[in-house]
Amino acid sequence: QKEVEQDPGPLSVPEGAIVSLNCTYSNSAFQYFMWYRQYSRKGPELLMYTYSSGNKEDGRFTAQVDKSSKYISLFIRDSQPSDSATYLCAMSITGANSKLTFGKGITLSVRP
Amino acid sequence: NAGVMQNPRHLVRRRGQEARLRCSPMKGHSHVYWYRQLPEEGLKFMVYLQKENIIDESGMPKERFSAEFPKEGPSILRIQQVVRGDSAAYFCASSPGLSPTGGKQPQHFGDGTRLSIL
Repeated sequence: QKEVEQDPGPLSVPEGAIVSLNCTYSNSAFQYFMWYRQYSRKGPELLMYTYSSGNKEDGRFTAQVDKSSKYISLFIRDSQPSDSATYLCAMSITGANSKLTFGKGITLSVRP
Repeated sequence: NAGVMQNPRHLVRRRGQEARLRCSPMKGHSHVYWYRQLPEEGLKFMVYLQKENIIDESGMPKERFSAEFPKEGPSILRIQQVVRGDSAAYFCASSPGLSPTGGKQPQHFGDGTRLSIL
């Protein structure tokens, strides 16, 4: 079993839809959780960063962490074509400034 | 405000040659990380360095791979005697480490070096 599993995708939605992206993990020691967005031929760009369980909102993006279920989610409201990219979940045991373990990523396409 | 700079963006090497990948962290960042992204795979951690020190090299292959972050200049990832399986995108990230209040700061990535082995 991989440490971090991410829905394989790809995912295609119409513009304006609510998107839900999910990751599960097996190592209960993970405490720091991140979502990165990666456009083609570019590096990952940090979207959300949370510590432990709970919700965090930033504009159209909401990150949820449920440590009891070892499950994290990223919600995108009012999705736009510019949101079309690959989304990567990442997590760390000791902090966002140490080794990150990534999911494989899911490619999202938002149709105009 | 320059981000993490990696060069070259593309590198082609023949089997058996050496590959040197460079990474200049964001201004004010003293922590550097290297990750490898193989086709159809996620990002895999390789090594974590601070100036003149290797902090965590648990993801580095035991042979042919080395990394350094000298007191002056960029961080270098060196791959000796490259093989076809080394073809991948190599990403560098940097972090300031801790915020002034002690919070652990996240990593910011460069756009990668795409290494192709002929």
